[in-house]
Amino acid sequence: GENVEQHPSTLSVQEGDSAVIKCTYSDSASNYFPWYKQELGKRPQLIIDIRSNVGEKKDQRIAVTLNKTAKHFSLHITETQPEDSAVYFCAASNFGNEKLTFGTGTRLTIIP
Amino acid sequence: DAGVIQSPRHEVTEMGQEVTLRCKPISGHNSLFWYRQTMMRGLELLIYFNNNVPIDDSGMPEDRFSAKMPNASFSTLKIQPSEPRDSAVYFCASSFRDGLAGEQYFGPGTRLTVT
Repeated sequence: GENVEQHPSTLSVQEGDSAVIKCTYSDSASNYFPWYKQELGKRPQLIIDIRSNVGEKKDQRIAVTLNKTAKHFSLHITETQPEDSAVYFCAASNFGNEKLTFGTGTRLTIIP
Repeated sequence: DAGVIQSPRHEVTEMGQEVTLRCKPISGHNSLFWYRQTMMRGLELLIYFNNNVPIDDSGMPEDRFSAKMPNASFSTLKIQPSEPRDSAVYFCASSFRDGLAGEQYFGPGTRLTVT
């Protein structure tokens, strides 16, 4: 089955700087890669996703890049703000199966 | 839309008791997922349904766990008998699948404590 590894497990960034979280996956058939944000005590919520027919997708301060050859994808947050502090999860699945395999999460702390 | 609804929000029970968690997906969604989240194991998919039919239950830990979806608007996850290691937050999520995997919308979760 699919295995998703996520790094780093914790990340502290000065407010205004950029944050990058990286994930690798094992199943070459995977072609859907969402990122979820989970604030303390809350539910995971989708912030951005990418499908394998594109290499990069942006939404305001958030971007995701995908390298299918290397089987890795990354989340980039620019101009970080205190409200970006949360745990971020990457995940992977393929079109034939909705099952999402999640990474272990990255606790991002924005330092004011 | 009210979003995915789960009940109860908190459950404290003693070891050996039966626990039933409930979920109402977003109206119109045709896929439903049950997840378990713990510090040690992260976010794990237990089972998911599409059009009320179980598609993948490979994440169900053991026979003590069972899930049903009798109709498009209701699902249950049952643990019988419960054990302390079942303590976790259980999330239900739903999505609309139209050929491609879609965004999964999570419910608020049920925090289960087994003493």
